[in-house]
Amino acid sequence: GENVEQHPSTLSVQEGDSAVIKCTYSDSASNYFPWYKQELGKRPQLIIDIRSNVGEKKDQRIAVTLNKTAKHFSLHITETQPEDSAVYFCAAAMFSGGYNKLIFGAGTRLAVHP
Amino acid sequence: ETGVTQTPRHLVMGMTNKKSLKCEQHLGHNAMYWYKQSAKKPLELMFVYNFKEQTENNSVPSRFSPECPNSSHLFLHLHTLQPEDSALYLCASSQGQGSTEAFFGQGTRLTVV
Repeated sequence: GENVEQHPSTLSVQEGDSAVIKCTYSDSASNYFPWYKQELGKRPQLIIDIRSNVGEKKDQRIAVTLNKTAKHFSLHITETQPEDSAVYFCAAAMFSGGYNKLIFGAGTRLAVHP
Repeated sequence: ETGVTQTPRHLVMGMTNKKSLKCEQHLGHNAMYWYKQSAKKPLELMFVYNFKEQTENNSVPSRFSPECPNSSHLFLHLHTLQPEDSALYLCASSQGQGSTEAFFGQGTRLTVV
């Protein structure tokens, strides 16, 4: 089955710096790669996703890149702000049969210091 | 609000108790999921239901018993749990039909004593 590795487990940056979180996956059949943000005491929420036919996707200060050959994908946050502080989870899935079997990484706790 | 509601928010139960977690979605989605979130571990997929039919059981112990009476409601029945089952249990739903985003509920914080 699918296995997702995520690094680093914790990341501390100064406000305004960039943050990069990296994930690798094992199942070459996976075709959907979302990133979720979970603030303390709240539910995980989708912030950006990418499908296997796309190499890069950007939405304002966040971007995701995908390298299918190497089976890794990354989240890039530029101009970080204190409100970006949260736990970020990557996931990989193969959309099949009308549902996703999302397999998550262990999460990265991002702290942005003013 | 994302339209996925879980009750109760917190639950403390003894190892001999029987309790149930409830999840309800008002998004018209056809797939529903149970995930377990423990400290410093990945969200673990437990069960998947698609159009009320169970399609995935990720080797979950039988002391966890899911039930999906319709596409809007999902239950997780608990009995004779162990302290290591203490965790945040998250429900999620997704549309299917080409839409892939999973919407999560706020979870039930379960403590087994």
